Amino acid sequence: GENVEQHPSTLSVQEGDSAVIKCTYSDSASNYFPWYKQELGKGPQLIIDIRSNVGEKKDQRIAVTLNKTAKHFSLHITETQPEDSAVYFCAALSSGQNFVFGPGTRLSVLP
Amino acid sequence: NAGVTQTPKFQVLKTGQSMTLQCAQDMNHEYMSWYRQDPGMGLRLIHYSVGAGITDQGEVPNGYNVSRSTTEDFPLRLLSAAPSQTSVYFCASSYQQIGGEAFFGQGTRLTVV
Repeated sequence: GENVEQHPSTLSVQEGDSAVIKCTYSDSASNYFPWYKQELGKGPQLIIDIRSNVGEKKDQRIAVTLNKTAKHFSLHITETQPEDSAVYFCAALSSGQNFVFGPGTRLSVLP
Repeated sequence: NAGVTQTPKFQVLKTGQSMTLQCAQDMNHEYMSWYRQDPGMGLRLIHYSVGAGITDQGEVPNGYNVSRSTTEDFPLRLLSAAPSQTSVYFCASSYQQIGGEAFFGQGTRLTVV
């Protein structure tokens, strides 16, 4: 079955710097890759997603890139702000299957 | 719109007790699922349902039962609680299983002593 790895497990950046979180997946049939943000005491919330027919997607300060050949995808956050501090999860899904989540990255944005 | 509602938010059980975690969604989603979240392990799928009357096991189903009598509700039952079931439980729903936003509830923090 699918296995998703995520690095780093913790990440601290200065406010205004960029943050990058990387995930790798094992199942070449996976075709949907969402990123979720989980704030303290809350459930995960979708922030951006990408499908396998697209290499990059951007939404304001957040972007996701996908390399299908290497089976990895990354989340890029530019101009980080304190409110970006949270746990971020990547996930992979192949049609008809279930989401497989990475173990999470705790991002701290230092003022 | 309420989205996905989970109750209770917190629960303490004694070993061997049983209980039901409630989950309801008002988005008419066919697909619903239960996850447990443990430190450093991400979200692991317990059970899922692709529609009313249909349920299936996920990655870590042992010790849990589910049923799906309506589209809206997907309760998770702990049959005989064990300390290993101490975790945070999340219910999620999505339109279909083919990719698209999954909406999560606020979670239930369960402690088994």
